[in-house]
Amino acid sequence: ELQLLESGGGLVQPGGSLRLSCAASGFTLKNYAMSWVRQAPGKGLEWVSTISAGGSSTYYADSVKGRFTISRDNSKDTLYLQVNSLRAEDTAMYYCAKDLILSPWGQGALVTVSS
Amino acid sequence: DIQMTQSPSSLSASVGDRVTITCRASQGINNYLAWFQQKPGKAPKSLIYAASSLQSGVPSKFSGSGSGTDFTLTISSLQPEDFATYYCQQYHTYPLTFGGGTKVEIK
Repeated sequence: ELQLLESGGGLVQPGGSLRLSCAASGFTLKNYAMSWVRQAPGKGLEWVSTISAGGSSTYYADSVKGRFTISRDNSKDTLYLQVNSLRAEDTAMYYCAKDLILSPWGQGALVTVSS
Repeated sequence: DIQMTQSPSSLSASVGDRVTITCRASQGINNYLAWFQQKPGKAPKSLIYAASSLQSGVPSKFSGSGSGTDFTLTISSLQPEDFATYYCQQYHTYPLTFGGGTKVEIK
């Protein structure tokens, strides 16, 4: 069964940082692009970032460009999202998802930015 | 950026009803369109990709159609487990973009 499991969320002060991880199982991570999508409380879905299968190409939403960094360790079947300079508006559930068609999704990691 | 406009934003329907949700892209995206279902407190679930291809394990009561700028998701006979919010998403061009969602509620 294809599964994704996020970790690393938490409460952080404005300006702080976190590293989110997404562990893949049931498929070979290195064969697929991977994405992060977030959802603020009570709001819709917002694409955050995508990384190519080999890791050489990365793409970001304008709202996070320069502050977030997507990366992957294919030897560990793990995707990462380094989130820096956090703002209140970054408060959201962060999901990882496989490929550009976003299937499957992980269960999410909650990031709360508050003082 | 490609804007994805879903309509309606919400609807009320009865068990057994046929429901259609539309999604319009601000420019042509061929068939690079996916549909997702999200229930409260849960991660989204992929239903359809490439506008009309059903994900493995998704019941055939769900169907998708369209190409270019206009797309539809149809649920042929609404069941209690189908009450949820549905999103479309284009993956033709970065940034990937989602529609605003359609909440399907019980009448």
